[in-house]
Amino acid sequence: QVQLVQSGAEVKKTGSSVRVSCQASVSGDTFNTYSFTWVRQAPGQGLEWMGGIIPISGFPNYAERFQGRLTLTADESTRTAYMELNSLKSDDTAFYYCARGLSSYSIYPSLESWGQGTLVTVSS
Amino acid sequence: DIVLTQSPGTLSLSPGARATLSCRASQIVSSHYLAWYQQKPRQAPRLLIHAISMRANGIPDRFSGSGSGTDFTLTISRLEPEDFAVYYCQQYASSPITFGQGTRLEIQ
Repeated sequence: QVQLVQSGAEVKKTGSSVRVSCQASVSGDTFNTYSFTWVRQAPGQGLEWMGGIIPISGFPNYAERFQGRLTLTADESTRTAYMELNSLKSDDTAFYYCARGLSSYSIYPSLESWGQGTLVTVSS
Repeated sequence: DIVLTQSPGTLSLSPGARATLSCRASQIVSSHYLAWYQQKPRQAPRLLIHAISMRANGIPDRFSGSGSGTDFTLTISRLEPEDFAVYYCQQYASSPITFGQGTRLEIQ
């Protein structure tokens, strides 16, 4: 199974931006052709899909509520996916997970491998 | 958006019992794109079932999924102590991907 290692916890001010990384223990087509999906979970709450990207396509897909505020990218040379969220609000405080899709070339996959999660805390 | 409603919210059972968790969708989930996840405290979710009834790698056969259309079920045939957790269903048939609100399975 693919191992995904995320960057560490962040504390941010309202209105600022955060960037979370997710490095995969795979290379080549096994990195490029599978979706990297981002899911967040507010403390004590359920799971919320944010969006995903298949590195080989370069075209991310975003949940409507994050359009204009979310940027997903992927870098094959470092086998790393990135999530950047701008204009942070207090209700963006959550664990942010990256997850790799089970099936290749599927932008809407079931999620086989998960990172350990990154806690982003937003306060004024 | 496809809304997934899970029931019950909390299920209290004893080890060795059979657990039946329900997930109802607001629209037909096409192409069998329905999955189940288990999440334990302070851990990431773990994929149990995909395509309604296919067990993910390494998942014990006491976990099974069934259903079609808008009604889906996760069954755990004989509960082990490590099965007490929160379970989520997910549809990935259409954008946006959505999750149910979760069922908490607790020890009675």
